[in-house]
Amino acid sequence: QQQVKQSPQSLIVQKGGISIINCAYENTAFDYFPWYQQFPGKGPALLIAIRPDVSEKKEGRFTISFNKSAKQFSLHIMDSQPGDSATYFCAASSWDSSYKLIFGSGTRLLVRP
Amino acid sequence: DADVTQTPRNRITKTGKRIMLECSQTKGHDRMYWYRQDPGLGLRLIYYSFDVKDINKGEISDGYSVSRQAQAKFSLSLESAIPNQTALYFCATSDPGTSGTEAFFGQGTRLTVV
Repeated sequence: QQQVKQSPQSLIVQKGGISIINCAYENTAFDYFPWYQQFPGKGPALLIAIRPDVSEKKEGRFTISFNKSAKQFSLHIMDSQPGDSATYFCAASSWDSSYKLIFGSGTRLLVRP
Repeated sequence: DADVTQTPRNRITKTGKRIMLECSQTKGHDRMYWYRQDPGLGLRLIYYSFDVKDINKGEISDGYSVSRQAQAKFSLSLESAIPNQTALYFCATSDPGTSGTEAFFGQGTRLTVV
């Protein structure tokens, strides 16, 4: 049972383009939605996170858009760079999962020079 | 030094062998986790521990066991390894549960069962 569904599984974008990764969830108790970035040979690391009381959060070239009514959130990477090539995981947590993170299936992003 | 250290980084073992993956952390966190990463399946939780005396099964605990030897140490064992346990394994830590708790991951152990 996958509580957080992520798409696409892989994504190829040209340098300077916009990368968009989407996630959907079912549990309305989720109240924290982070994105993790993982480079080859490394563990995932927190990139950016949002709470459901705001619809958008921006940090540099990275933006989370959140749609509470649709139970969806997405990561937008503006002006994508080859150094952004990595695997991205969305996640969610809430009190009823004891604040454990529930991860999506991951998206492998390749940014071509 | 890394805050969350996993050993070994790579391991090849034979079917039926017992193997232990170790994790130690210097972040002082009470919560520790073991995840398994497979292509297309994301990070799936195997076991987690909220303090030294607390051990809980995750979504895919069959075939695995854990031991929390101290606040800083959490080990994962495969009692009798099988090929479909070939995967990338991650240990993670976090502060006690509140909304917005960040998880800190080790660099992973790549396990191959032949």
